[in-house]
Amino acid sequence: ILNVEQSPQSLHVQEGDSTNFTCSFPSSNFYALHWYRWETAKSPEALFVMTLNGDEKKKGRISATLNTKEGYSYLYIKGSQPEDSATYLCANNAGNMLTFGGGTRLMVKP
Amino acid sequence: DAMVIQNPRYQVTQFGKPVTLSCSQTLNHNVMYWYQQKSSQAPKLLFHYYDKDFNNEADTPDNFQSRRPNTSFCFLDIRSPGLGDAAMYLCATSRDRGWDEKLFFGSGTQLSVL
Repeated sequence: ILNVEQSPQSLHVQEGDSTNFTCSFPSSNFYALHWYRWETAKSPEALFVMTLNGDEKKKGRISATLNTKEGYSYLYIKGSQPEDSATYLCANNAGNMLTFGGGTRLMVKP
Repeated sequence: DAMVIQNPRYQVTQFGKPVTLSCSQTLNHNVMYWYQQKSSQAPKLLFHYYDKDFNNEADTPDNFQSRRPNTSFCFLDIRSPGLGDAAMYLCATSRDRGWDEKLFFGSGTQLSVL
């Protein structure tokens, strides 16, 4: 992996479903992994910043895990709600500036 | 509320006509960034200011310039916009440049070039 890649690119789920998506990043020179949520017509907001292998972070129904050795992070949303509809961006800091992935666009249908 | 404010939300300019996008912050953060995002691609860093120190990314075209007259304001100048410069431009701040410093974003300016 040379760049930050996110999958899937978009995702449609039903209200109440739990879901997860992936961020892959170069495992060499890892310093930190950021997750941001970007709702339409609003500002991207930081969800988590993770720095340690095996790190797990939780904020309400949203949680994230980090594997720096294999270069991936998962974002989980439990019991999705329509207000969770947004683009979720991850970004890797390899010791310089943040490099963003293309995001996963989540749409939660009521 | 302390925040990062970008104006305008939508900007339309003509091919070759200089345009300036503005960003202000009330967070008193040291670092201000400009990102370009084209249609659902990854946001791409154009440059950042660490206090008054300007840092350009190697692949940022010369057509893009920036000014930071004081801590609170930062401007993105596009000297001769081309059709390929149509994009969402995001301003962000961080307290410092540490790798665990989270970014605080404005809501972006969507630039159209006619």
